Order: sequence, then C-alpha cells, then structure tokens
Amino acid sequence: EPEVTQTPSHQVTQMGQEVILRCVPISNHLYFYWYRQILGQKVEFLVSFYNNEISEKSEIFDDQFSVERPDGSNFTLKIRSTKLEDSAMYFCASRRWRAYEQYFGPGTRLTVT
Amino acid sequence: GIQVEQSPPDLILQEGANSTLRCNFSDSVNNLQWFHQNPWGQLINLFYIPSGTKQNGRLSATTVATERYSLLYISSSQTTDSGVYFCAVPTSGSRLTFGEGTQLTVNP
Repeated sequence: EPEVTQTPSHQVTQMGQEVILRCVPISNHLYFYWYRQILGQKVEFLVSFYNNEISEKSEIFDDQFSVERPDGSNFTLKIRSTKLEDSAMYFCASRRWRAYEQYFGPGTRLTVT
Repeated sequence: GIQVEQSPPDLILQEGANSTLRCNFSDSVNNLQWFHQNPWGQLINLFYIPSGTKQNGRLSATTVATERYSLLYISSSQTTDSGVYFCAVPTSGSRLTFGEGTQLTVNP
C-alpha cells in the first residue's frame, strides 16, 4: 500500500539555523499538508498546498516558514531561522482529488538547541 | 471554529480488557479520522469514518454524524495498543482539527 514518507526521522539543529524537512506524498495525491505537534500537545495545522501554491495557512505559519514542491515527488517545509519553540514533531499529509481522507507520514522530530 | 473534545483524557487497562473512546464535535462534518500515535511519535491512520461503522480486527469505530460524536472501540486490548488516540475533523477549507487525545496505557 502506498504511503507518505518523511526524511529525516530526527533532526537536531542549533537556534538560528535553517532546516528543510522533506516529504514524499502518495504519488496520485494532489493536496499536501504540514502539521506540527509540540511535545505533549495536540497536532496543529500549519499549511495546505495545492496546484503549486498555498491554499490555506494557520497563524503559526509566519514568514519564517515556507513550503515548496521542487519536483514532481517532493514536498518540503523550510524554517528559515529556527527558534527553540520550533522544536516539535512535524507531520506531512496528502490526499486525493475529491477525497477527504488525509494520509499522514511518520513525522520528523525537530530538536532546536 | 469547530470544537473537538475527546474523553476520557487518560485510560489505564489490563491486557484483555475492552474500552470505548469518545470524540464529540461541535458542528456537522464530512470527514472524521481516528489516529493512533505510538510511543515513537508516529501517527497511524486507523479509520476514515464520516458516518456509520467500520471494523478492522480488534478495533471498530462508529460515527453518528447527526448527533456529532464518534466512538472508537478497542476489544481484547494488548500492550501494543498503548499510546495516544486522536480524532480529527476538518474545519475551514480542508485543514484537520485534532482533539486533545486519549492517553491509553495497557498493562500486562
């Protein structure tokens, strides 16, 4: 069964550094998402992406964040200058055209020191 | 926006016991998903269940959309069922709003 994959599984970075989290959505999916979960808290929506542009973003998704689909398979989340409070689990998700179910990847644990 | 409430927040069981987790939501929805977050933090899709009942092995889920709740049943629980169970529903656009989760601990 096809699944969403994410790399790396765990990334440690220093405050102020740029990080790029990578996702490979399911191949025939057209809608892509990033969610975040701070340790011990619930999962929160960051951004959705369709047709090569952001379709919706939350108040968390400020100018430090950007998303890109650099080729036909990858979907990336970039954090320009990481802060301690960016430490969290980041999940990528995707869904098909005219379907509601979102399929989640295993997550990338980001630790900012 | 839509509110999602899960109960109970914590649940401790002995292996072999059955349990029911509840998810209430404040508005009508066209999607509801249940997830299991394992001890490694991975989110595992359990059910996509906007209405009706589905079963998958020892797990089953029922959503009564008109009454705005969903139930997740776990029968004959095993230690590997431990973790956090989340329900999620779409709010504005297609973003999912998650509940706070139920922390399940199954003891041997």
